[in-house]
Amino acid sequence: NAGVMQNPRHLVRRRGQEARLRCSPMKGHSHVYWYRQLPEEGLKFMVYLQKENIIDESGMPKERFSAEFPKEGPSILRIQQVVRGDSAAYFCASSPPERTNEKLFFGSGTQLSVL
Amino acid sequence: LAKTTQPISMDSYEGQEVNITCSHNNIATNDYITWYQQFPSQGPRFIIQGYKTKVTNEVASLFIPADRKSSTLSLPRVSLSDTAVYYCLVGDITRDDKIIFGKGTRLHILP
Repeated sequence: NAGVMQNPRHLVRRRGQEARLRCSPMKGHSHVYWYRQLPEEGLKFMVYLQKENIIDESGMPKERFSAEFPKEGPSILRIQQVVRGDSAAYFCASSPPERTNEKLFFGSGTQLSVL
Repeated sequence: LAKTTQPISMDSYEGQEVNITCSHNNIATNDYITWYQQFPSQGPRFIIQGYKTKVTNEVASLFIPADRKSSTLSLPRVSLSDTAVYYCLVGDITRDDKIIFGKGTRLHILP
């Protein structure tokens, strides 16, 4: 049973370009969480999605950032017109549909570097 | 989610037992206490979860007093590979939409 898969592992973009980060949750999981982490800091909640629905996006910047979790395929975190301040590690986590107090399963993250 | 407070950093030596305490004064009745471990350049990994008293697994023990306003993660006989950031989370995943991580405790194990 494969774990949470994130790709790419590293992504380099120039200012003004778009970044697309992908997250495939564990098999059977229908809840996805995205977090951002700056060096030497904790994880900052961005968005929580269920299949085809955004449940809580209170941690997402209002502009340039969007997330989706379609019925088929991975969850996508999209950052338009990237700036240097977007450079960070982005982690996603998944949990099962029944939402017991099960643990979250995290991917290895995508390290975004904006030049 | 209940707010948590834990030490920013700790140092210990190989072979020692390490105890990291987390304060969560406003824990709710249905909240669970969960600890995660994060190595550099990796996502957090679940260590242990408990509701009350004591929980033990192959990695750690979790001690929770009767009032549940704090908890202590205990790592027996640590090694250099236990150097990581440890996060304490308190909440009810069945109710909470956000699952918030604090800054965690940076544990350095010295030879």
